[in-house]
Amino acid sequence: GENVEQHPSTLSVQEGDSAVIKCTYSDSASNYFPWYKQELGKGPQLIIDIRSNVGEKKDQRIAVTLNKTAKHFSLHITETQPEDSAVYFCAASIMGDKIIFGKGTRLHILP
Amino acid sequence: DTEVTQTPKHLVMGMTNKKSLKCEQHMGHRAMYWYKQKAKKPPELMFVYSYEKLSINESVPSRFSPECPNSSLLNLHLHALQPEDSALYLCASSQEALEGKSEAFFGQGTRLTVV
Repeated sequence: GENVEQHPSTLSVQEGDSAVIKCTYSDSASNYFPWYKQELGKGPQLIIDIRSNVGEKKDQRIAVTLNKTAKHFSLHITETQPEDSAVYFCAASIMGDKIIFGKGTRLHILP
Repeated sequence: DTEVTQTPKHLVMGMTNKKSLKCEQHMGHRAMYWYKQKAKKPPELMFVYSYEKLSINESVPSRFSPECPNSSLLNLHLHALQPEDSALYLCASSQEALEGKSEAFFGQGTRLTVV
């Protein structure tokens, strides 16, 4: 089955700097890669996603890149703000009916 | 409206109790999911319903019993749970379960404590 590895497990960046979270997946059949942000006591919130026919996608301060050959995908957050502090999960989906999550990255934005 | 509503938000139950978790969405989504999340861990898939039929059961113990009364509702019936079943139970829905065509939206979860 699919396996998603996510690094780092914890990331601290100065406010205003950029944050990068990287993931790899194992199953080349995966074709959908969402990213979720989870704040304490809340459910995961979809923040951006990318499909296998696209190499890069951007939404304001958030961008995601996908390298299908290497089975890598990454989340980039620029100009980080205190409200970006949360746990971020990457995920991979095969055929849309199973979303397999990475172990998560706890992002701390330092003042 | 991209909202998935879960009730109750918190639940404390004894090991001999029977309780149910409820999930509702009005986005016309045809796939609904139950996930279990332990502290500091990612969500783990439990069940998938596609067009009101159970399509995936990730070898979940029978003390968890899902039910999909209609395309907008998803229940999880709980009976004879163990303390280790204490977790955040998350419901999600997506437009189509096949071909990875649609994003999944999560509810806020039910925080379950088994005593």
